[in-house]
Amino acid sequence: DAGITQSPRHKVTETGTPVTLRCHQTENHRYMYWYRQDPGHGLRLIHYSYGVKDTDKGEVSDGYSVSRSKTEDFLLTLESATSSQTSVYFCATGTSGTDTQYFGPGTRLTVL
Amino acid sequence: AQSVTQLDSHVSVSEGTPVLLRCNYSSSYSPSLFWYVQHPNKGLQLLLKYTSAATLVKGINGFEAEFKKSETSFHLTKPSAHMSDAAEYFCVVSDKQQAGTALIFGKGTTLSVSS
Repeated sequence: DAGITQSPRHKVTETGTPVTLRCHQTENHRYMYWYRQDPGHGLRLIHYSYGVKDTDKGEVSDGYSVSRSKTEDFLLTLESATSSQTSVYFCATGTSGTDTQYFGPGTRLTVL
Repeated sequence: AQSVTQLDSHVSVSEGTPVLLRCNYSSSYSPSLFWYVQHPNKGLQLLLKYTSAATLVKGINGFEAEFKKSETSFHLTKPSAHMSDAAEYFCVVSDKQQAGTALIFGKGTTLSVSS
């Protein structure tokens, strides 16, 4: 795979608390993405980045924010976690906005 | 707008028999098409991709897929299933005209393989 790590791998938190998930890549890929995976929905795009400090919203961006201060790191923040944000979160990277994406191992987040 | 429909949410086969996972797509422009596989509690791995070079695409682990524009289909096949093929499979489309809009995933097909 493309040298993508995600941290933490598992997290349990309480409703209303802030949560930040980190994605780190060593491939120098321009594009980075955050998806969430829920049963029966496949993967849905939350936010993506097309360069340092350049980000845009995806299909399910409400309640999430992102930041990318350097090429290798893409942070996903839940400002005030809700139970509906319990999910598995995947980071992906790519060299082109329309070609193959490489996925990290995922973060399982549980909001109680 | 792009969309992907995986026609079966679950497919069960016996080891050694053929595998067919069906996918139809909708795209306004010439699409890129992918199949990804996800083993339990793992990330997604690219099986194969179509980018208009050849309609029959060979991937890893003996899988292949055929792009049929007239049928807007991109079905995934394997001649002989192995126990290790049990996983979830996603058909994915990317619209080449809309850079940065990421991939559109189907809802997945779970493949079960029995001995």
